[in-house]
Amino acid sequence: DAEITQSPRHKITETGRQVTLACHQTWNHNNMFWYRQDLGHGLRLIHYSYGVQDTNKGEVSDGYSVSRSNTEDLPLTLESAASSQTSVYFCASSAGTGVHNEQFFGPGTRLTVL
Amino acid sequence: AQSVTQLDSQVPVFEEAPVELRCNYSSSVSVYLFWYVQYPNQGLQLLLKYLSGSTLVESINGFEAEFNKSQTSFHLRKPSVHISDTAEYFCAVSDARGGYNKLIFGAGTRLAVHP
Repeated sequence: DAEITQSPRHKITETGRQVTLACHQTWNHNNMFWYRQDLGHGLRLIHYSYGVQDTNKGEVSDGYSVSRSNTEDLPLTLESAASSQTSVYFCASSAGTGVHNEQFFGPGTRLTVL
Repeated sequence: AQSVTQLDSQVPVFEEAPVELRCNYSSSVSVYLFWYVQYPNQGLQLLLKYLSGSTLVESINGFEAEFNKSQTSFHLRKPSVHISDTAEYFCAVSDARGGYNKLIFGAGTRLAVHP
């Protein structure tokens, strides 16, 4: 069955380190999204991509970067991790750009920055 | 800019009782509205959505939501809840103008169903 996976599921790192969170989907979806979930804020959009080589900044993109070299993967990189980036990160994908195309979410990655 | 307000952060309720989770939105343009559910330690799943047409939309597991344009609301209701409905529920809005589907989420409401 097609799916969307995230790895690792849990990560502890230290302030200042570079961290990369992986997101892989097997639906062949064009659109991919990264969100962070924090208590009291719901989900906030970090970056998104509408296809290979396309990336766009979301609401809370400072300190994060993404690259899209193929359809299946959208890794999220924290260039220099900060304690404020401790959060749960969700990746999502959808087939097209219309709202009729449901976003499917991965299981999440819990990141702790010490 | 669009925003979503979920008026209750937590809603405790007894099994088989009715429940309403409130959602209000702010937007200067037409919007599409969504409810997502997140069960413990899982990602989000789409519960139901309003795009156009009938203002009352239903899910397969007994939830319904009504789009009220004059009150800018999209409240979620269920006449009789089960223990398995315990989860966090997120209301979300998307701009209806363009061909993209970025979602703006509310802060979430944690529904706790007690026996």
